[in-house]
Amino acid sequence: QVQLQESGPGLVKPSETLSLTCTVSGGSISSYYWSWIRQPPGKGLEWIGYVYYSGSTNYNPSLKSRVTISVDTSKNQISLKLSSVTAADTAVYYCASGGYNWNPFDPWGQGTLVTVSS
Amino acid sequence: SYVLTQPPSVSVAPGKTARITCGGNNIGSKSVHWYQQKPGQAPVLVIYYDSDRPSGIPERFSGSNSGNTATLTISRVEAGDEADYYCQVWDSSSDHPNWVFGGGTKLTVL
Repeated sequence: QVQLQESGPGLVKPSETLSLTCTVSGGSISSYYWSWIRQPPGKGLEWIGYVYYSGSTNYNPSLKSRVTISVDTSKNQISLKLSSVTAADTAVYYCASGGYNWNPFDPWGQGTLVTVSS
Repeated sequence: SYVLTQPPSVSVAPGKTARITCGGNNIGSKSVHWYQQKPGQAPVLVIYYDSDRPSGIPERFSGSNSGNTATLTISRVEAGDEADYYCQVWDSSSDHPNWVFGGGTKLTVL
C-alpha cells in the first residue's frame, strides 16, 4: 500500500514562498498522477494542482499564477511551491495520489499545517 | 465556475439511515467522489465514480447520482461514522478545468 508523507516548514512569513515535499513510500511515483490539496482551519477542501511523473502539470486557475508542482523521481518525491503567501494561505496541506481524468484522490498523506505569519 | 452544495449538517440516530446530498447543475452527467474526514485526520475515499466502493469500506456506504443531486447513503449508522463528508467532481465545462469540492456536511450520530 502506497503511503504519502508531507514535510516542510510549519511557519512562513507573508510575501515569502511556501515549500513542501511529499515523500511516497511503498511504491514508485512513476506512471501516476499526484495532487496537492489544502484545507484552511475549520474550512473545506481546495484542490491546488496535480503533476504527472513526467512533469506535466495542471493547476487550479485561482492559484495558477503562484503555484509550481514538480516531481523528483530519483527521490520518489513531489514538491509544492506557493509564492507570495498571505494569511489566507494558512492551511493544512495534503498530498494525494490521483486527480487526473476524473480519477479520485486515494490515498492521502496525513497533511501538514502551514501558518503564514510574521 | 461550477458549484457543489451540501447541507452543513445531518443528524441521525444509531442504526438508522443517513443521506447526505450534493447538489450541482446537471451533476448526474459528472462522476462524483465522496470523502470521509474525521477530526484531525486526512480525508478517506469512501465512494468513487458515483457508486463504487473502495476495498475496506463497509457495504453500508453507497452512492447514487442523477439529475441535479448526488447522494451518499450510510445504512445502519454507527457512532464511528460521525465525521465530515465531502463530495467532489471534475468540472470540465469551463475554459479552465478544475476539481471542485462541496462545502462539506458534518454527520452527527445522536
